[in-house]
Amino acid sequence: DAKTTQPTSMDCAEGRAANLPCNHSTISGNEYVYWYRQIHSQGPQYIIHGLKNNETNEMASLIITEDRKSSTLILPHATLRDTAVYYCIVRVATGGNQGGKLIFGQGTELSVKP
Amino acid sequence: DGGITQSPKYLFRKEGQNVTLSCEQNLNHDAMYWYRQDPGQGLRLIYYSQIVNDFQKGDIAEGYSVSREKKESFPLTVTSAQKNPTAFYLCASSAAGVGQPQHFGDGTRLSIL
Repeated sequence: DAKTTQPTSMDCAEGRAANLPCNHSTISGNEYVYWYRQIHSQGPQYIIHGLKNNETNEMASLIITEDRKSSTLILPHATLRDTAVYYCIVRVATGGNQGGKLIFGQGTELSVKP
Repeated sequence: DGGITQSPKYLFRKEGQNVTLSCEQNLNHDAMYWYRQDPGQGLRLIYYSQIVNDFQKGDIAEGYSVSREKKESFPLTVTSAQKNPTAFYLCASSAAGVGQPQHFGDGTRLSIL
């Protein structure tokens, strides 16, 4: 079972910031939070990940609460091409760091509207 | 461009036939993974490999086999023992190091004729 909880769907106006929340209240101290998105019939696309600190890259920002029990993915200026299912994942260790499988839950279906 | 290439994009299999899905990466990643995705569901891990000539079973390995003879290649064979092979198959790879993310190919969609 996924260790994260996300809203089933969200809407966002084009050009506005999209803020996608995720709860991971049982996260362990050495587990990272990863965000991926998937457009229908394509492979998941890696967006960003973090452990404790907030992170930013060219795609998005990741805000992790101090207690690490929740996080928010921010797409600063959403476009129509950002319409996808967004997955928040806490990585489970399987046989060492390289073996850590990703458990995808149901994700949040983000619709960016003109 | 660096990336992960899966081929073919669509594959059809007859009953009782083995088929092999190709996955190649030029990212110089040590670890590679195979997942299966069914409609409306999340990904499930089939096999993974942390290093050449070594691989481990994931959660749903029955009916599948893999090999890792080269760092850049991790082919998946769906055998006739796999009773429900129709699915979307995704290959991923990751670099060495704690917390390194997995990067995915565009998948192969397998259907039974």
